[in-house]
Amino acid sequence: DAGVTQSPTHLIKTRGQQVTLRCSPKSGHDTVSWYQQALGQGPQFIFQYYEEEERQRGNFPDRFSGHQFPNYSSELNVNALLLGDSALYLCASSLVPGSLETQYFGPGTRLLVL
Amino acid sequence: DAKTTQPNSMESNEEEPVHLPCNHSTISGTDYIHWYRQLPSQGPEYVIHGLTSNVNNRMASLAIAEDRKSSTLILHRATLRDAAVYYCPCYNQGGKLIFGQGTELSVKP
Repeated sequence: DAGVTQSPTHLIKTRGQQVTLRCSPKSGHDTVSWYQQALGQGPQFIFQYYEEEERQRGNFPDRFSGHQFPNYSSELNVNALLLGDSALYLCASSLVPGSLETQYFGPGTRLLVL
Repeated sequence: DAKTTQPNSMESNEEEPVHLPCNHSTISGTDYIHWYRQLPSQGPEYVIHGLTSNVNNRMASLAIAEDRKSSTLILHRATLRDAAVYYCPCYNQGGKLIFGQGTELSVKP
């Protein structure tokens, strides 16, 4: 059983560019959440997708947007990249939203903005 | 949002027990207490969760205070592979995980 997969593993972009990160959830999971983890910090919640809709959103600007496809995979898009967007971007999947559900994390995509 | 408080770092010797504390005084009555850990260069991985009773699994034990305002993750015999950052994130309604800084556990041989 494949766990959560993310692509690419690493990415280098320059300020002002746009980036798309991809996530495939664990088999059978229909809820995908995205987190940003700056160096030395805990992950910060960006947003959550369930049934192809954004269900919750953290304190991130509109430059951060996402999408969930019918097969439950998801994309995170970041426009007008800033140096401060350099971080590890984590995708997590679960069966349904809710505090009973364990979230399974992927290995992350490390983004460097120059 | 609710938040949790953990010590920044702890040290342990190999094969000794480790008790990792977490304060979650703002937890709601129906939210489960979860623990995750993050090994170097990996995403966080689930360790254990519970609601009110103490819980055991193959990785660890979870002791939950009677008032649920704190919990302790217990690694019965620390190994070098247990060196990681341990988190006890809060959940809000809908399953949003709110992570703190976590506790960086180092294990000495």
